[in-house]
Amino acid sequence: QQQVKQSPQSLIVQKGGIPIINCAYENTAFDYFPWYQQFPGKGPALLIAIRPDVSEKKEGRFTISFNKSAKQFSLHIMDSQPGDSATYFCAASYPGSRLTFGEGTQLTVNP
Amino acid sequence: GAVVSQHPSRVICKSGTSVKIECRSLDFQATTMFWYRQFPKKSLMLMATSNEGSKATYEQGVEKDKFLINHASLTLSTLTVTSAHPEDSSFYICSARSPTQGAATEAFFGQGTRLTVV
Repeated sequence: QQQVKQSPQSLIVQKGGIPIINCAYENTAFDYFPWYQQFPGKGPALLIAIRPDVSEKKEGRFTISFNKSAKQFSLHIMDSQPGDSATYFCAASYPGSRLTFGEGTQLTVNP
Repeated sequence: GAVVSQHPSRVICKSGTSVKIECRSLDFQATTMFWYRQFPKKSLMLMATSNEGSKATYEQGVEKDKFLINHASLTLSTLTVTSAHPEDSSFYICSARSPTQGAATEAFFGQGTRLTVV
């Protein structure tokens, strides 16, 4: 019940495309859903996060869509650039708990 | 966002020696810090949760005598890999959270430490 399932495992898009990464969870106690971006040899960096009281959040080119009833959330990257090529992790937590991470999605944006 | 500084970023050590990795929260007080291990192309695997002033809580399968964690202050946690072996070679990452106030709070990550044991 602590799992967060992330898909796809890898994704290749052309520059300007809109990659979409999906995550699903089971534990309804989760109330915080961040996305992290990780470049090779670096630690994850917080990209954007959402709480269950909203269905969508935008920060620049990054958008989280949240479907509470389906227990799913997704990351959309608008006008993707080669510099967005990285590994993306979704995660979830509830107060006092550790983060539960998805398995990660390796995104490649071709020029 | 808040800054978590991890040092060193890379370390090479000989088999049998010990290596200490430091994790500092630079602009906030972290009552809880987390230590992760990451294998190539894999997700982060939580090793232990470090609470300031108390013993760390280790995940199942993680040897507490091998991976010594000390959280001596609200801004510093250390991970010491004792008697390192080549199989301990990995990418180690720390994370820090500010005290929980109601809803879950953000977690910030260090830059990671690439440990190579030869």
